[in-house]
Amino acid sequence: KAGVTQTPRYLIKTRGQQVTLSCSPISGHRSVSWYQQTPGQGLQFLFEYFSETQRNKGNFPGRFSGRQFSNSRSEMNVSTLELGDSALYLCASSSDRASGNTIYFGEGSWLTVV
Amino acid sequence: AQKITQTQPGMFVQEKEAVTLDCTYDTSDQSYGLFWYKQPSSGEMIFLIYQGSYDEQNATEGRYSLNFQKARKSANLVISASQLGDSAMYFCAMWTISGGYQKVTFGIGTKLQVIP
Repeated sequence: KAGVTQTPRYLIKTRGQQVTLSCSPISGHRSVSWYQQTPGQGLQFLFEYFSETQRNKGNFPGRFSGRQFSNSRSEMNVSTLELGDSALYLCASSSDRASGNTIYFGEGSWLTVV
Repeated sequence: AQKITQTQPGMFVQEKEAVTLDCTYDTSDQSYGLFWYKQPSSGEMIFLIYQGSYDEQNATEGRYSLNFQKARKSANLVISASQLGDSAMYFCAMWTISGGYQKVTFGIGTKLQVIP
């Protein structure tokens, strides 16, 4: 069974640009979450999507957005990039039981903003 | 509020020795679960082990075991017979229910280095 797939793995953008990251969850998983990981802030929750609806959101500015498609694939977008957006962006998927779901992560997308 | 505390920023262990990584948690929920993840330098978060709050026995997965002490609110990871490939960041995490849905909180991690 294929794991969580994230693309691209590495990318470099300049300040002011926008970026779109993609995530394909494990087959059968309908919940997809996004996290930002930086050395100073650790792992920060961005948002979670379930059946194309955002049902949880972290404390990030509106420049960070996401969406989920009917096949459960998800994208996150960051507009007007800032140097501080340089980070590892991790996507995770889980099944849709009410609780006790193990979340499985992808390999992450390393974003560098210059 | 839910909180995970990992007080060891870095740990060293000799190859083939056992090591314990500490994790304490704070929640007022009765139903919750605890995870440990390993993150090598490549970045991928690898799921290691899971313990539910109602599980009476400590979870084990190969060389990994979770020392769950509910009254102390601790969920320490024990790695037996350390290998060089165990060198990585280790994160403790907890799910609770927030707004009717599962929400996961992570600790800041412990960097483990295995010495030959």
